[in-house]
Amino acid sequence: KQEVTQIPAALSVPEGENLVLNCSFTDSAIYNLQWFRQDPGKGLTSLLLIQSSQREQTSGRLNASLDKSSGRSTLYIAASQPGDSATYLCAVSPPNTDKLIFGTGTRLQVFP
Amino acid sequence: EPEVTQTPSHQVTQMGQEVILRCVPISNHLYFYWYRQILGQKVEFLVSFYNNEISEKSEIFDDQFSVERPDGSNFTLKIRSTKLEDSAMYFCASSEESRGGNEQFFGPGTRLTVL
Repeated sequence: KQEVTQIPAALSVPEGENLVLNCSFTDSAIYNLQWFRQDPGKGLTSLLLIQSSQREQTSGRLNASLDKSSGRSTLYIAASQPGDSATYLCAVSPPNTDKLIFGTGTRLQVFP
Repeated sequence: EPEVTQTPSHQVTQMGQEVILRCVPISNHLYFYWYRQILGQKVEFLVSFYNNEISEKSEIFDDQFSVERPDGSNFTLKIRSTKLEDSAMYFCASSEESRGGNEQFFGPGTRLTVL
């Protein structure tokens, strides 16, 4: 059974720092991995989608990498800003299924 | 930019009542989903829907739940005889395709509170 874990559970950093959020999954057989942002009490905003054949994806200050064989993905946020404060979720798409399996998230706070 | 919309944003109901949560997926998307997130827990898959029928459902999605696409734009989740443990945030999502790794886009959610 696929399990998705995110470390750390919470992170508090000063503005301007580069930071790395980690996601690990137990079964390397996935179609893709998606990173989301969730603001308190709000919906999920898709940040990046990495297909299983890809190693990384970039969008602005965000870079996500995928190492399928080791069951890991990292989300790198460059030059963090207070507006980046949110919970970041990763989710994997197993083969032969429609669903996404989510991790528990990393709650990020960036202070001025 | 196209987005998934959901109504209402917050629904309060009494235990045993029926509720209908509504969603308007992105217009050219073919696959629709419902997920839920109990406070402090992971987002969990409930059901997927394609071509006017359920494509896949989780063990959570029992006879208490049903989904429907009543017209060309709306997608609904009905919960019959609500229970206290149904209190959660319910998210609708849509994608162009599925089972090939297409990106799922989520709505803002409906917070359901069962009293």
